[in-house]
Amino acid sequence: DIQMTQSPSSLSASVGDRVTITCRASQSVRNYINWYQKKPGHAPNLLIYAASSLQSGVPSRFSGSGSGTDFTLTISSLQPEDVATYYCQQGYSSPLFSFGPGTTVDIK
Amino acid sequence: EVQLVQSGAEVRKPGESLNLSCKASGYSFSNDWIGWARQMPGKGLEWMGTIYLGDSSVTYSPSFQGQVTISVDKSITTAYMQWRSLGASDTATYFCARGAEALIRGLPYYYFDYWGQGTQVTVSS
Repeated sequence: DIQMTQSPSSLSASVGDRVTITCRASQSVRNYINWYQKKPGHAPNLLIYAASSLQSGVPSRFSGSGSGTDFTLTISSLQPEDVATYYCQQGYSSPLFSFGPGTTVDIK
Repeated sequence: EVQLVQSGAEVRKPGESLNLSCKASGYSFSNDWIGWARQMPGKGLEWMGTIYLGDSSVTYSPSFQGQVTISVDKSITTAYMQWRSLGASDTATYFCARGAEALIRGLPYYYFDYWGQGTQVTVSS
């Protein structure tokens, strides 16, 4: 099975800060990585697919990069509404998918 | 408009059975995937399994193999998650999601773009 890790597990940043979240796979997943935003009481929201493709309707301050085993999600200018937990998901072994453990982002 | 509407919150006792539903509308419910994810209280998302609507084949994550049954009734565009015997550790919120495909440089990429609102399941004696 492909195991996913994320770092940090949580972070606190100021409004306007650049925020970077890292996701690592236990083996190469090429660029088969999706990123989701999850707020309490809400369903997950797709942000990025195929490592760097921005989902329609998602603000352009979100971006993704990486290939192989190391990936990043970047929020270029953190906004109050971005307070959430962010999950990477590998789709390399689809239809067997798996999530990372999540990174919780809040405002300092 | 694509929508996935899940059945309402459930409270069950250990050992009881349960069937959750996920009704899809607004798109062609034919050759796509539906996936299910779990979120236990205070924990992260876990992928449970994926059903391919083309042939109703199911792939379960190892942790959930043998614990749940995923199925679909294409005639009413509804997917299901079933337990025969619940345990306290099944207390969680369960989400269904529509699988979508993008072709990028000729390669297919799969992701889940529409999600149900979630069903909270509480198992307690």
